[in-house]
Amino acid sequence: DIQMTQSPSSLSASVGDRVTITCRASQSISSYLNWYQQTPGKAPKVLIYEASNLQSGVPPRFSGSGIGTHFTLTINSLQPEDFATYYCQQTYRSPPAFGQGTKVEIK
Amino acid sequence: EVQLVESGGGLVQPGGSLRLSCAASGFTLSTYWMHWVRQTPGQGLVWLSRIGGDDGSSTSYADSVRGRFTISRDNAKNTLYLQMDSLRVEDTGVYYCARSVVSTANDLRYWGQGSLVTVSA
Repeated sequence: DIQMTQSPSSLSASVGDRVTITCRASQSISSYLNWYQQTPGKAPKVLIYEASNLQSGVPPRFSGSGIGTHFTLTINSLQPEDFATYYCQQTYRSPPAFGQGTKVEIK
Repeated sequence: EVQLVESGGGLVQPGGSLRLSCAASGFTLSTYWMHWVRQTPGQGLVWLSRIGGDDGSSTSYADSVRGRFTISRDNAKNTLYLQMDSLRVEDTGVYYCARSVVSTANDLRYWGQGSLVTVSA
């Protein structure tokens, strides 16, 4: 099975900061990677699909990049509503696997 | 508009059973791979099971639930199910159903709001 590893597990940032979260796959997954945002009590919401495609309705301050085994999610100019937990997920092969999550907290 | 609404969660004793439902609207269930994902308290997301194919005969499970959980669907009711038997304390969590996209079976693009299952004596 493919394992997904995110870093960091948590970070503190201020409104307006640029934030980068990393996700690594245990083997190549091409561009088959999604990024999700989850706020407390809510279901995960897709931000980025296929590594770099912005889901409809998601603000352009979110961007994704990477291919193979190394991926990044970048949030430019962090907004108050962006304080949440972010997960990566490989969609390349079954079973689907998620990273352990990165909690973005207010500094 | 795609909507997924889970129901059926609740409190159950260890060893008991529960059936979750996921009512789908805005699309035809049999067209897409459908999944169940669990989130344990304070923890991350864990994939549990998926179902696909015109007749729903293609199914797969995580090792942790294989032999105890059964995924199924009713095309006429456009509803997905998860039958959970021999429940354990560690099965406690929020259960989400999710829908894929046509191009990628494991792209969980749409999610329900979740249903809480608590396994406790």
